[in-house]
Amino acid sequence: GQQLNQSPQSMFIQEGEDVSMNCTSSSIFNTWLWYKQDPGEGPVLLIALYKAGELTSNGRLTAQFGITRKDSFLNISASIPSDVGIYFCAAPYGGSQGNLIFGKGTKLSVKP
Amino acid sequence: ETGVTQTPRHLVMGMTNKKSLKCEQHLGHNAMYWYKQSAKKPLELMFVYSLEERVENNSVPSRFSPECPNSSHLFLHLHTLQPEDSALYLCASSQTLAGGEKYEQFFGPGTRLTVL
Repeated sequence: GQQLNQSPQSMFIQEGEDVSMNCTSSSIFNTWLWYKQDPGEGPVLLIALYKAGELTSNGRLTAQFGITRKDSFLNISASIPSDVGIYFCAAPYGGSQGNLIFGKGTKLSVKP
Repeated sequence: ETGVTQTPRHLVMGMTNKKSLKCEQHLGHNAMYWYKQSAKKPLELMFVYSLEERVENNSVPSRFSPECPNSSHLFLHLHTLQPEDSALYLCASSQTLAGGEKYEQFFGPGTRLTVL
């Protein structure tokens, strides 16, 4: 079945560093979503991408929809301690109900 | 209240208990979802309701029973659960357009369920 592969699984970085993570699949998708989940909370939508090649920013976050439509990238610039959490990519599959498939997440730790 | 709310936030139950999880969305959306989040596994879609009708059930055991009385409320009724059902249960909502172009789902904070 379809699955999304996220890498890296975890990252330990120093405050102020830039972060890059990606999500790949063997399937083609028309939409990519990026979520962040804080401990004990539900995922929060960060960025939605709807067009191949699209580059979208949300503050210090920038996400790109891969040109092949099989991958997406998320970059965080000048990381701060509150960036800590798990970042998930998601993409819709099948039907018209907008059902989403999720990656396993990238766990980000930021050292002050 | 804003966004998507879930109650209770934490629940401990025995294998013979019956309990219910509640979700309410204040976003005017027309679709609601139940997900299960277990450690080291991707989010698993359990149920989808669109316009208050169940449109997808991803082969979830019958000990989980959803109910969607209106577009703002969603319940998950639990009975005779197993310890492996312990997980974070997340509710989400979205506004599904006719062409299905919008896929953003907004999540509640989840219910942390422990089955003893």
